[in-house]
Amino acid sequence: QQQVKQSPQSLIVQKGGISIINCAYENTAFDYFPWYQQFPGKGPALLIAIRPDVSEKKEGRFTISFNKSAKQFSLHIMDSQPGDSATYFCAAQQTGANNLFFGTGTRLTVIP
Amino acid sequence: GAGVSQSPRYKVAKRGQDVALRCDPISGHVSLFWYQQALGQGPEFLTYFQNEAQLDKSGLPSDRFFAERPEGSVSTLKIQRTQQEDSAVYLCASSFSLPDREAALGDEQFFGPGTRLTVL
Repeated sequence: QQQVKQSPQSLIVQKGGISIINCAYENTAFDYFPWYQQFPGKGPALLIAIRPDVSEKKEGRFTISFNKSAKQFSLHIMDSQPGDSATYFCAAQQTGANNLFFGTGTRLTVIP
Repeated sequence: GAGVSQSPRYKVAKRGQDVALRCDPISGHVSLFWYQQALGQGPEFLTYFQNEAQLDKSGLPSDRFFAERPEGSVSTLKIQRTQQEDSAVYLCASSFSLPDREAALGDEQFFGPGTRLTVL
């Protein structure tokens, strides 16, 4: 059973455009939501994370929007660049648990 | 090196062979995790260590999978009698945790590059 559902599976965006990736969860005990970026042949690396006490967090071109009532959160990449081309994973964690539950990933391609 | 390292990076095994995958976490990181990443999927949790203690092994898919961290630093994931369904990338991650405290919410997990296991 997939704890975190992610869409789309793949995304193609023109340089300078906005990339949007969506995730949804069911477990209301989740209270930490990180996004990871993974390049081919590399391990995932933390990009940005949010806790459910805020509805938005912005770091540079990357923004997480969080909707607690809908149990959804999304990653927005503004002014997308070819260097952003990678696979993005949303994840969730709950207090008292050690591990992360990952989504299935979105492969982003930014076309020059 | 500053990051998590894993070896070998690639491993090809014949069905039925035993394999051992190594993880060197970031120095000083108390918590260590193993994840399995199937092709086109997100990482799935296998097991967690705090120092040398294996506190959670709920994600290990079968008793053919065994992990250890005898001195609280390097960890080895062993898979006995490998099967084709074991083919995946095995990721190791470590995180800093305060002494005598389990990995907590929000402790950043730093991932290694993974070992790609192919079972023929």
